[in-house]
Amino acid sequence: SQQGEEDPQALSIQEGENATMNCSYKTSINNLQWYRQNSGRGLVHLILIRSNEREKHSGRLRVTLDTSKKSSSLLITASRAADTASYFCATDAKETSGSRLTFGEGTQLTVNP
Amino acid sequence: NAGVTQTPKFRVLKTGQSMTLLCAQDMNHEYMYWYRQDPGMGLRLIHYSVGEGTTAKGEVPDGYNVSRLKKQNFLLGLESAAPSQTSVYFCASSDAPYGYTFGSGTRLTVV
Repeated sequence: SQQGEEDPQALSIQEGENATMNCSYKTSINNLQWYRQNSGRGLVHLILIRSNEREKHSGRLRVTLDTSKKSSSLLITASRAADTASYFCATDAKETSGSRLTFGEGTQLTVNP
Repeated sequence: NAGVTQTPKFRVLKTGQSMTLLCAQDMNHEYMYWYRQDPGMGLRLIHYSVGEGTTAKGEVPDGYNVSRLKKQNFLLGLESAAPSQTSVYFCASSDAPYGYTFGSGTRLTVV
């Protein structure tokens, strides 16, 4: 079963708006990561947040982590058509000691020009 | 600047045929992984390796075998392909616990 579950499954917004995607997970983690996948391509690592961190920024990306609720959110500000892609959260569970990630099913983001 | 290279990019197999997917990385990463991606199911881990000469089973290992004879290469084998193995296969490498670098994928169809 998938460790991470993204919400919503699909999101459609207008260029310039903010996009928020959520991820819930089940077990204790070392870190949580977000990836982007353009259609027909491999996944690209966006950002990693450790279990002792609550918020992290990278350019137009803002990630929050709430370990008490076992949830994370990815905010993309001032979205662009080029942000259209699938976004996946992935968890590095404590029980697997950093040896592998478990991916969620992804959120399909469409940014309309 | 190659990163992770997967070959082939596309393949059509008949049921019962065998094939090997090759993954090569030039970043000297210790960890390598094979995932499959199916519509609506995200990525599922098939097998992984934490170093040269090591392999371990992931979430969906049945019907697949792997080998990591050299640090830079991770091979995924299908001994007797089945239609259920139609999927997109992704290889990734990392120096855990950091982010993964993914290849561009192999689209496999078993008829």
